[in-house]
Amino acid sequence: GDSVTQTEGPVTVSESESLIINCTYSATSIAYPNLFWYVRYPGEGLQLLLKVITAGQKGSSRGFEATYNKETTSFHLQKASVQESDSAVYYCALGDTEGADRLTFGKGTQLIIQP
Amino acid sequence: EAAVTQSPRNKVTVTGGNVTLSCRQTNSHNYMYWYRQDTGHGLRLIHYSYGAGNLQIGDVPDGYKATRTTQEDFFLLLELASPSQTSLYFCASSGGFYAEQFFGPGTRLTVL
Repeated sequence: GDSVTQTEGPVTVSESESLIINCTYSATSIAYPNLFWYVRYPGEGLQLLLKVITAGQKGSSRGFEATYNKETTSFHLQKASVQESDSAVYYCALGDTEGADRLTFGKGTQLIIQP
Repeated sequence: EAAVTQSPRNKVTVTGGNVTLSCRQTNSHNYMYWYRQDTGHGLRLIHYSYGAGNLQIGDVPDGYKATRTTQEDFFLLLELASPSQTSLYFCASSGGFYAEQFFGPGTRLTVL
């Protein structure tokens, strides 16, 4: 089946430092999956951070960006300078648009920003 | 933007108890989903639905029933709750575009 592997947390970064959370996927049933990053702030539900539906394209939002690399089956999340408000849990997900619009999630990476 | 609400937000029950978790979405989405989220496992799909009266089995369905009564409402039923079902439950909906899903705030269930 499909699977997503991402950086195991917690990840601790100092404010204004750069960030990378790794995400790799295995899509055995989908030729061209859609890729997503979701974020969950404390006490809230998951929110879509960014999505990319075309291989080779980059998505960006709120200073975060991720590039869909079909050759390396990766979708790493990066930010040049983190803020304390970025503290949250980040989930990489793979979308199956050929079936029931199901999402396969990674385990989530807790990000802690130190002031 | 899609609005997905869940109730209750917190629930405590005892082993063997009956629990119903409710989810409502107000954006006319066809697809709805129930997930559980546990440390070390990420989100796992329990059941999902294409529309009123439809039910599909997810990846971890054992011990759970679900019912989609209307396009807006999707319920998750635990008829004999067990401590292993202590978890954070999320409901989501999707309009079927690019598999993007919109999530509710979650229900924290504790089974003693």
